Amino acid sequence: AQSVTQPDIHITVSEGASLELRCNYSYGATPYLFWYVQSPGQGLQLLLKYFSGDTLVQGIKGFEAEFKRSQSSFNLRKPSVHWSDAAEYFCAVGTPSSASKIIFGSGTRLSIRP
Amino acid sequence: DAGVIQSPRHEVTEMGQEVTLRCKPISGHDYLFWYRQTMMRGLELLIYFNNNVPIDDSGMPEDRFSAKMPNASFSTLKIQPSEPRDSAVYFCASSFLAGVSDEQFFGPGTRLTVL
Repeated sequence: AQSVTQPDIHITVSEGASLELRCNYSYGATPYLFWYVQSPGQGLQLLLKYFSGDTLVQGIKGFEAEFKRSQSSFNLRKPSVHWSDAAEYFCAVGTPSSASKIIFGSGTRLSIRP
Repeated sequence: DAGVIQSPRHEVTEMGQEVTLRCKPISGHDYLFWYRQTMMRGLELLIYFNNNVPIDDSGMPEDRFSAKMPNASFSTLKIQPSEPRDSAVYFCASSFLAGVSDEQFFGPGTRLTVL
């Protein structure tokens, strides 16, 4: 079965600094990969997704993620964070055989230092 | 579209009481999902429906939990009797296309507290 790990529980970065959130997955073939963001008191919103093709994926709000098969990783990046980016970020994985089920990571809470 | 609508947004109840959570998916979406989010277990899929039919309920924790979708625009998640360990945020999500590749749109969640 597939699984996903987000090794960082909480990250703090300064406003304007670059950001990288880590995500590692476990699956024998190429999985479907997602990044969702959850603002306080809100539901989750999709930032970007990867199924196949170009390994660098662009998403909303200036985020991007790179699929690296050799490292089983799908890290989320942003060149310059804004205070409004403070939220919880979830990496998720699905597979062609898992129908509509996707597995979410435990999340990384991002705080922004003024 | 107003997005996925959940009610109530907050629910406080006493142990042993019946709790019903409600969800209205986005119009035209054929898939509906119920998730539970806790600090200890993160975000867990409880059950999902396709065209009002339950497809996978393997995540439902026990018989105290039940979910129905009587029509395309309404679903309920019921807990009877409720226990303190059921305290969590419950999310409903919907998607349009079949399969795991489609984006799921989440509602704002219902925060349940069982005393």
